[in-house]
Amino acid sequence: NAGVMQNPRHLVRRRGQEARLRCSPMKGHSHVYWYRQLPEEGLKFMVYLQKENIIDESGMPKERFSAEFPKEGPSILRIQQVVRGDSAAYFCASSPRRDRSYEQYFGPGTRLTVT
Amino acid sequence: GESVGLHLPTLSVQEGDNSIINCAYSNSASDYFIWYKQESGKGPQFIIDIRSNMDKRQGQRVTVLLNKTVKHLSLQIAATQPGDSAVYFCAENSKAGTALIFGKGTTLSVSS
Repeated sequence: NAGVMQNPRHLVRRRGQEARLRCSPMKGHSHVYWYRQLPEEGLKFMVYLQKENIIDESGMPKERFSAEFPKEGPSILRIQQVVRGDSAAYFCASSPRRDRSYEQYFGPGTRLTVT
Repeated sequence: GESVGLHLPTLSVQEGDNSIINCAYSNSASDYFIWYKQESGKGPQFIIDIRSNMDKRQGQRVTVLLNKTVKHLSLQIAATQPGDSAVYFCAENSKAGTALIFGKGTTLSVSS
């Protein structure tokens, strides 16, 4: 009974490098949401994807960030040329259907540290 | 703007006490409200949710109350245990197919 899986759990990158974060939704779920959490704060929405489609990317920074959810394989959040301000915990959540977006199951997160 | 906030950043209780965690929201059009528990180093874990057409919902040891008149949401935990120590977030889902909007969280500390 695998829940939402994320890897890596911890990622250290130097400024200017690329970070790739992976998320495998729960079995049977085809909707994925990415959130970012800064220390001592709540989660902030970044992007909502369905298989092969970006539904809502209104929370994504305009530059350096991108996301995909291919037909096969996990969803990927990609951060190019990372800066120290990108250091945060990144969580993905999956949902079974669009009309049940209130029902989101979260993964354990990837903690990104930019040195 | 549309956001969900919490009244107190921290709450300390004794084991066995009842805990009440509060949340104020501003989007009167939100359809669902959800409480999550987040332990250190882990992702948010669903506790209980309530739809906007209800004012109370009970789970195991937890009760959520919704007061739409004053846009207030609360989570009551009965007989609080040390394992309940965590950060609690309320979140709202304004409509189907949209992301959750989270508040800043309340850190609950339970001493035995």
